[in-house]
Amino acid sequence: GESVGLHLPTLSVQEGDNSIINCAYSNSASDYFIWYKQESGKGPQFIIDIRSNMDKRQGQRVTVLLNKTVKHLSLQIAATQPGDSAVYFCAENSRPRGGSNYKLTFGKGTLLTVNP
Amino acid sequence: GAGVSQSPSNKVTEKGKDVELRCDPISGHTALYWYRQRLGQGLEFLIYFQGNSAPDKSGLPSDRFSAERTGESVSTLTIQRTQQEDSAVYLCASSRSSFPSSGNTIYFGEGSWLTVV
Repeated sequence: GESVGLHLPTLSVQEGDNSIINCAYSNSASDYFIWYKQESGKGPQFIIDIRSNMDKRQGQRVTVLLNKTVKHLSLQIAATQPGDSAVYFCAENSRPRGGSNYKLTFGKGTLLTVNP
Repeated sequence: GAGVSQSPSNKVTEKGKDVELRCDPISGHTALYWYRQRLGQGLEFLIYFQGNSAPDKSGLPSDRFSAERTGESVSTLTIQRTQQEDSAVYLCASSRSSFPSSGNTIYFGEGSWLTVV
């Protein structure tokens, strides 16, 4: 079946460096993508989203890039801070063929550790 | 309320017992999702409700799992005859509708931590 996956399960960076978290997706019908941050013991928190008619979207210190040609999604965090340490999930929202409802499918997550 | 509310936040139950987990979505949100997350794992889709449409139950792992939703409000996830492999965090999320858009963010609750002993 089609799924969302992540290239790197763990990422360790120094405080102040930029972080890049990658995600591969295989469902060509997906037209909306979301990045979530999950801190230990908490629910996932929305970070940024992007629709498939865009290839880049910027937020505060975060940028999401979408490459539909190779079905790749990335999250860039500028000037990474200790508070950014968490598990980051990408998710795709897609509607199965013939279906009427969208479903949010998550990747396995990347653990980001920021060293002071 | 301001966010998605789940209860109980923690539940320890004996193997074989039934449990009910509750989710209060954000007011006005017609779409409601249940996910399961085992320790150190990703989020596993369980079930999805959208308004008055038939729910998408394709993610329920067995017939011991069921969920109900009253209109566009509270949802209850029930696990019958719990097994140790049911131990996980059960996350509920809601959104304004199922149509994906930047204004249709999906918000998660803090989860219900279930431990089956």
